[in-house]
Amino acid sequence: GEQVEQLPSSLIVQEGASVLINCSYTDSASVYFPWYKQEPGKRLQFIIDIRSNMERKQNQRLTLLFDKKTKHLSLHITATQPGDSAIYFCSASIGNMGYKLTFGTGTSLLVDP
Amino acid sequence: EAAVTQSPRSKVAVTGGKVTLSCHQTNNHDYMYWYRQDTGHGLRLIHYSYVADSTEKGDIPDGYKASRPSQENFSLILELASLSQTAVYFCASSDTRTGDTEVFFGKGTRLTVV
Repeated sequence: GEQVEQLPSSLIVQEGASVLINCSYTDSASVYFPWYKQEPGKRLQFIIDIRSNMERKQNQRLTLLFDKKTKHLSLHITATQPGDSAIYFCSASIGNMGYKLTFGTGTSLLVDP
Repeated sequence: EAAVTQSPRSKVAVTGGKVTLSCHQTNNHDYMYWYRQDTGHGLRLIHYSYVADSTEKGDIPDGYKASRPSQENFSLILELASLSQTAVYFCASSDTRTGDTEVFFGKGTRLTVV
């Protein structure tokens, strides 16, 4: 089945810095890739997604890049704020409707003020 | 806003005992899911359902049963709880009929089996 790897497992940055989170998947049938943010004690929150027919998507300070050939995604967060501190999850789905997600192991981001 | 409510939020269960985790959504979504999260791992899909009175196996269904008695409710049942089932369990829902791809998650249930 699909496997999703995510690196790094943790990051500590100063407020204002940019961060890059990398994700790779194995199943070429995966076509939809949503990302989630998990703050302590809170539910997973959808933050951005991309489909396999796209190469780039931006949502405010988030930019998601997708390389279908290498089966690789990268999430770039600019101008980080303490409120960005959370665990970020990459996920993949073979369906276009986001069901049956396979998740990466998560990246714990800590932004120091 | 879409709402997925899980109960209980935490539970301590005895090995060999029966555990039922409940999930209720008010989103009128067709799909519902149960995931488990272990430390150092991402979420893994246990069971899912796309219609009431029907459930499907996910990636790690062994040791779990699921029940969807209505569109709004989806339960996860551990008939004989084991230590290895200590984890945080997340329920989620999504709607495949409207073109909205977002999956909405509950806050999670922390299950400790002793």
